[in-house]
Amino acid sequence: DAEITQSPRHKITETGRQVTLACHQTWNHNNMFWYRQDLGHGLRLIHYSYGVQDTNKGEVSDGYSVSRSNTEDLPLTLESAASSQTSVYFCASSEKIAGANTEAFFGQGTRLTVV
Amino acid sequence: AQSVTQLDSHVSVSEGTPVLLRCNYSSSYSPSLFWYVQHPNKGLQLLLKYTSAATLVKGINGFEAEFKKSETSFHLTKPSAHMSDAAEYFCVVRGGTSYGKLTFGQGTILTVHP
Repeated sequence: DAEITQSPRHKITETGRQVTLACHQTWNHNNMFWYRQDLGHGLRLIHYSYGVQDTNKGEVSDGYSVSRSNTEDLPLTLESAASSQTSVYFCASSEKIAGANTEAFFGQGTRLTVV
Repeated sequence: AQSVTQLDSHVSVSEGTPVLLRCNYSSSYSPSLFWYVQHPNKGLQLLLKYTSAATLVKGINGFEAEFKKSETSFHLTKPSAHMSDAAEYFCVVRGGTSYGKLTFGQGTILTVHP
């Protein structure tokens, strides 16, 4: 079965360190997204990609970067981790079909703690 | 631009009683609308989606939602709550193309009492 997996599931890191969260999907979806989930804010979009070599900033992109070198993977990098980036991070993917109401499929999440 | 407002941050019901989770949306385009559920320490699961084929949408686990364009609402209902329905629910809107990004509401935590 196709799936979307995130790794690691839990990570503790120190302030100032660079951290990369992995996201891998086997749906062969063109669209991929990174969200962060914080109490009282729902899920907020960090970065997204509509295909290989395409990346775009979301509403809370400061301090984060992504790269898309293939269809399956969209790693999220925290350039210099800050305590404000302590959160649960979700990766998602969806098909790119014009006019279709295609839903997004989500990974299980990565809980990141910055100390 | 698009936005979603979930009108209740917490809803508490007794087992066997109806559930109503309210959602209002704003979208410049003809919207795609979704409800997702998140159980504690789990990922998000799609409950149902509005496809424009019918205004009353049926989802999994007995949930339904009705799209009302005049009221810009997409409320989620279930006739009889079960203990396993306790979770956080998100109303989500996407702009009128498949390229559109998902915008989430702030979530409604549903508590079900025995």
